[in-house]
Amino acid sequence: DQQVKQNSPSLSVQEGRISILNCDYTNSMFDYFLWYKKYPAEGPTFLISISSIKDKNEDGRFTVFLNKSAKHLSLHIVPSQPGDSAVYFCAATLGGGTSYGKLTFGQGTILTVHP
Amino acid sequence: DAGITQSPRHKVTETGTPVTLRCHQTENHRYMYWYRQDPGHGLRLIHYSYGVKDTDKGEVSDGYSVSRSKTEDFLLTLESATSSQTSVYFCAIETAGNTIYFGEGSWLTVV
Repeated sequence: DQQVKQNSPSLSVQEGRISILNCDYTNSMFDYFLWYKKYPAEGPTFLISISSIKDKNEDGRFTVFLNKSAKHLSLHIVPSQPGDSAVYFCAATLGGGTSYGKLTFGQGTILTVHP
Repeated sequence: DAGITQSPRHKVTETGTPVTLRCHQTENHRYMYWYRQDPGHGLRLIHYSYGVKDTDKGEVSDGYSVSRSKTEDFLLTLESATSSQTSVYFCAIETAGNTIYFGEGSWLTVV
């Protein structure tokens, strides 16, 4: 049972345009969500997170939107740059005020940004 | 980089041999985690620790054990490696701000 799903295996975007990566979850108890970027042969790099009490969080070129009723979150990257080309993972956790690191990950989306 | 070091970074071992992966952190974080990543999957939690000598199982813990005798070190042991344990292993720490940072990974091949 895949509790976190990234239904698009890949996404191709032109440099300077917006990249939108999507993620759906099924467990309504998840209350904290994170996005990671991963280059080959490296560990995942934390990008941005959002708590379930918010519907938007912004950090520079990255914005995460959370729609709790639809159990859907998205990561917007504006403007996209060739260096953003990587695999992007969304992850969710129950949090609950104790440990947040028991993450459930999606399968990842390969983003390619063309010059 | 959150002060996480994994060792070894790459290892090839034979089926049935024991293997230990080490995760070392320099910033005294309480929570530490071991994940594995396989093609077609995101990362999956193997074991985690919430303090010295306090550990618990994750989603895919069968065939693995862990130990944490010091705050800075979290060891993952495969008692008898199998080919299904060929994977990339990532250690992670949790900061006080609830951000999870990952190490660079340990590539393990069981032949």
